[in-house]
Formats: sequence, C-alpha cells, structure tokens
Amino acid sequence: SAVISQKPSRDICQRGTSLTIQCQVDSQVTMMFWYRQQPGQSLTLIATANQGSEATYESGFVIDKFPISRPNLTFSTLTVSNMSPEDSSIYLCSARAANEKLFFGSGTQLSVL
Amino acid sequence: DAKTTQPPSMDCAEGRAANLPCNHSTISGNEYVYWYRQIHSQGPQYIIHGLKNNETNEMASLIITEDRKSSTLILPHATLRDTAVYYCIVRAVNTGNQFYFGTGTSLTVIP
Repeated sequence: SAVISQKPSRDICQRGTSLTIQCQVDSQVTMMFWYRQQPGQSLTLIATANQGSEATYESGFVIDKFPISRPNLTFSTLTVSNMSPEDSSIYLCSARAANEKLFFGSGTQLSVL
Repeated sequence: DAKTTQPPSMDCAEGRAANLPCNHSTISGNEYVYWYRQIHSQGPQYIIHGLKNNETNEMASLIITEDRKSSTLILPHATLRDTAVYYCIVRAVNTGNQFYFGTGTSLTVIP
C-alpha cells in the first residue's frame, strides 16, 4: 500500500487569493491524481498529475484555475487560484500503485469566505 | 469506463451481513470491479476488486455474476464502524483509465 500525506488538512481563505496543497507519497507510484468533493457530493476527478509535464485535466477544469505540478514520482501540488466561495470543497490527492489500487490522502478541507 | 448503478442508501443491523449491490450492465471484458468506501471526513479506502471470480479478503467478499453485469459486496458481520458511503467502480487495469466515482450507497449500520 501507499501512505499519502497531504497538507494543509484544512484552511480558511479569502476570496481572490490562492492556496497550494501539497501531496507526498511514501513510495514510488505510477500515477497521481487530484479530486474535488463538494459538500454532500461524490468525488470528481480534477486532473492527472504527470511527472515532468503538464497535467491532464478533466472536462470542466482548466490549468489557469487549478495549476498542478509533479516534479518527481512521489510529490505533487495543486493550487486553487483566485478562489471564490464556490471553491469551498474537500480536495483529495490520490496515487495509483503498481498493484492497480488507488490510495487517498486524508484531504484538504477548504473554506472560502 | 462503464457506468455503475447503486442504491442511494441501505440500512443493516449490527452483526448481520451487509450486502451492497452494484449494476454494471455495460462492463467490458477487460474491466475490473472495484469497491471503495468513504467514512465521513476521510479519504476513500480501498476494499476489494475483481475481474470475474469471487474474491475475499479480510474486509469483505466480492461476488460477481457469471455474466459480469452485476456484483455484490458483502460485509459478513457489519459493525457500527462500517457506516460509510460505498462506491462501486469499473475500470480497465494496465491502462491510463482513471477511477471515476459514482454516487455510491450510504450504508448505515444500526445498533
């Protein structure tokens, strides 16, 4: 299994500011992903974090709003830019291991005022 | 990826078996069935996955019908800590296919 550390665990931010969420995996994984979970909803895939290249975004998500970096196999960041109250959600980092299982961090609870 | 259909909610008495159904009638031959659960305020947790044979591990059993169009996750002796949202996902392995989560089943274990 993979252990995923995500920080911050929660934050309260002002409208118009940006927040960068960090994700560290304890072992090399094949792929890393970022999900969003809005209140009372299921998980929605934002993007696949590609090592050393631009992330692959799902429909409805764009790089300008959610820039993602993955400088190496075990670390990734997601930035939520120019935040509005509609961005208040839980943001989850995940990683797929060689055994084809997906593991998750504990999430970042973001509230935008 | 094939879509799945799950009941939105279920109840189960503590100590009894919880049987959670999932319909995936458009599943392809190379797609596995995965089950995850999410306890409130935590990241989803892997439970089990399988292709066509029934699978069992320390957490649960997965029963897949012969035509693979549906499956059932069985928690043999449900406890209060099993109260969670359970997600059934189908995806092909060894590909770039991602994990897409549906709406899941909210299971409540009742004392």
